[in-house]
Amino acid sequence: AQSVTQPDIHITVSEGASLELRCNYSYGATPYLFWYVQSPGQGLQLLLKYFSGDTLVQGIKGFEAEFKRSQSSFNLRKPSVHWSDAAEYFCAVAPFGNEKLTFGTGTRLTIIP
Amino acid sequence: EAGVAQSPRYKIIEKRQSVAFWCNPISGHATLYWYQQILGQGPKLLIQFQNNGVVDDSQLPKDRFSAERLKGVDSTLKIQPAKLEDSAVYLCASSVRDRGPFNEKLFFGSGTQLSVL
Repeated sequence: AQSVTQPDIHITVSEGASLELRCNYSYGATPYLFWYVQSPGQGLQLLLKYFSGDTLVQGIKGFEAEFKRSQSSFNLRKPSVHWSDAAEYFCAVAPFGNEKLTFGTGTRLTIIP
Repeated sequence: EAGVAQSPRYKIIEKRQSVAFWCNPISGHATLYWYQQILGQGPKLLIQFQNNGVVDDSQLPKDRFSAERLKGVDSTLKIQPAKLEDSAVYLCASSVRDRGPFNEKLFFGSGTQLSVL
């Protein structure tokens, strides 16, 4: 069965600083990988997804993620965070050819001035 | 483009009572999902519909949960009777995917927050 681990429950970053959120997955084959963001009272919004090809994926709001097969990782990055990036971030995996998502437990991002 | 609509936004009930949630997906979206998100956890898939048929309900606690999607559009999720551990946000999501490889993203509603006292 597939699973996703987000080792950081809560991260605090200064506005303008760089960000990296960690995600490790467990799956027997090449999975589909996703990052979603959830703001308070809002639904989940897709930031980016990886299916195949270039292992560095660009998403919305200036986010990017890199798929590293050897490390079973799909870490999310942003070079300079904005106060509006404060939210909960979820990494998710789906089997190849399937869109049934398995989510990690999430990382709450706090931005300080 | 209208998003995925869910109601009610909040619901407070006592244990052993019944509750129902409603979801109206984006027009034309064939696939509909219900997820349960317990506080501090990621969303967990409960059930997947393709048009008006159930594709996967393996994680739905069928002794108390039921869901339907009449006419392949709106969907309702029901809990009867509710337990304390059912307190969660119930998210509905839809996608246009009808067949073929997954190349469309899911659109999520804002969810229904259920508190069971």
